[in-house]
Amino acid sequence: KAGVTQTPRYLIKTRGQQVTLSCSPISGHRSVSWYQQTPGQGLQFLFEYFSETQRNKGNFPGRFSGRQFSNSRSEMNVSTLELGDSALYLCASSLGTSGKRETQYFGPGTRLLVL
Amino acid sequence: GQNIDQPTEMTATEGAIVQINCTYQTSGFNGLFWYQQHAGEAPTFLSYNVLDGLEEKGRFSSFLSRSKGYSYLLLKELQMKDSASYLCAVTDSNYQLIWGAGTKLIIKP
Repeated sequence: KAGVTQTPRYLIKTRGQQVTLSCSPISGHRSVSWYQQTPGQGLQFLFEYFSETQRNKGNFPGRFSGRQFSNSRSEMNVSTLELGDSALYLCASSLGTSGKRETQYFGPGTRLLVL
Repeated sequence: GQNIDQPTEMTATEGAIVQINCTYQTSGFNGLFWYQQHAGEAPTFLSYNVLDGLEEKGRFSSFLSRSKGYSYLLLKELQMKDSASYLCAVTDSNYQLIWGAGTKLIIKP
């Protein structure tokens, strides 16, 4: 079974630009979560999508948005990039069973550098 | 607020044993995960505890005490490939995962 894939793997942008990251979950998984990882900060939860709906949201500004398509693929968009947005963005997929603990499976991440 | 604490960095010797601690304060508890993340790679699942006690899986074991808000990951017979960051994450009452900052483990020969 193919794992979680993320594109692109690396990205360099300048301040003020916007960026779109893509995530394809494991086949059969309906939940996709997005995280930002920076050195010393650990994984910061951005949002979770299930069945094309945002189910949970972290404490990030509105510049960070996402969506999920009917095939469970998800995209994350960051507008008006700031230097502090430089990070590794990880996507994780799970079955999406509500009210139960689930193991999340992570993609390799997209490393974003904002200059 | 919700908080998970882990040591930032630990060093151990090849062949030895190391214990990585994790303490948590969350709104509710529905389980605790340990993940391993090698530099430049995605986190991978190691273990899950929801009941008190020790779960053993090969060279790795994970312990949980819900009353103390405490867990540890025990790594035995350390190998160089165990050099990685170890992430502790707790599922809260809303089944949302709260992540610690991770512990970077350095293995020396």
